[in-house]
Amino acid sequence: ETGVTQSPTHLIKTRGQQVTLRCSSQSGHNTVSWYQQALGQGPQFIFQYYREEENGRGNFPPRFSGLQFPNYSSELNVNALELDDSALYLCASSPGQVSGANVLTFGAGSRLTVL
Amino acid sequence: AQSVAQPEDQVNVAEGNPLTVKCTYSVSGNPYLFWYVQYPNRGLQFLLKYITGDNLVKGSYGFEAEFNKSQTSFHLKKPSALVSDSALYFCAVSFYSSASKIIFGSGTRLSIRP
Repeated sequence: ETGVTQSPTHLIKTRGQQVTLRCSSQSGHNTVSWYQQALGQGPQFIFQYYREEENGRGNFPPRFSGLQFPNYSSELNVNALELDDSALYLCASSPGQVSGANVLTFGAGSRLTVL
Repeated sequence: AQSVAQPEDQVNVAEGNPLTVKCTYSVSGNPYLFWYVQYPNRGLQFLLKYITGDNLVKGSYGFEAEFNKSQTSFHLKKPSALVSDSALYFCAVSFYSSASKIIFGSGTRLSIRP
């Protein structure tokens, strides 16, 4: 089975620009979550999508938005980039009904640098 | 506020010795507890979880963790460390009532010397 794949792996943007990150979930997984991992920190929950609907959101401003597609792949969009948005963005998928007991399968991440 | 604490930024252990990576949590209700490991340039990988039942949970690569409700801890342990165990370890907590959100600790870097 294929795992979670993310693209691009690295990218550099300037302040004020917009970025789109992409994620293909593991085969059979219908729930996708996005996390931001700043250098030296643990992952911070951004939001989760289940069956193309947002199913929970962390403490991130509205300029962080997302989509989930019918094939369960997902996008994370960040508008008006700020220097503090520089981080590793992780996508994770999980199967079945949404549950706190689900194990997450993570991608390798997209490293965003904002200059 | 719900939180997870990993009090040690780094743990150094000699190969063959037992290792412990500490985790404590501060939450209301009955949490689900997880350990994930992150290798360089890789995403997080699941090690083990506690949902309910036996307080001692066994996971991948010979790791185990003990849920202690009175001390609100979920320490990760291994009887005999390997150099290949060197990585960044994250404790995490989630909830039945808020299934979408998982809170991660800040991570502990485990270094095993030969």
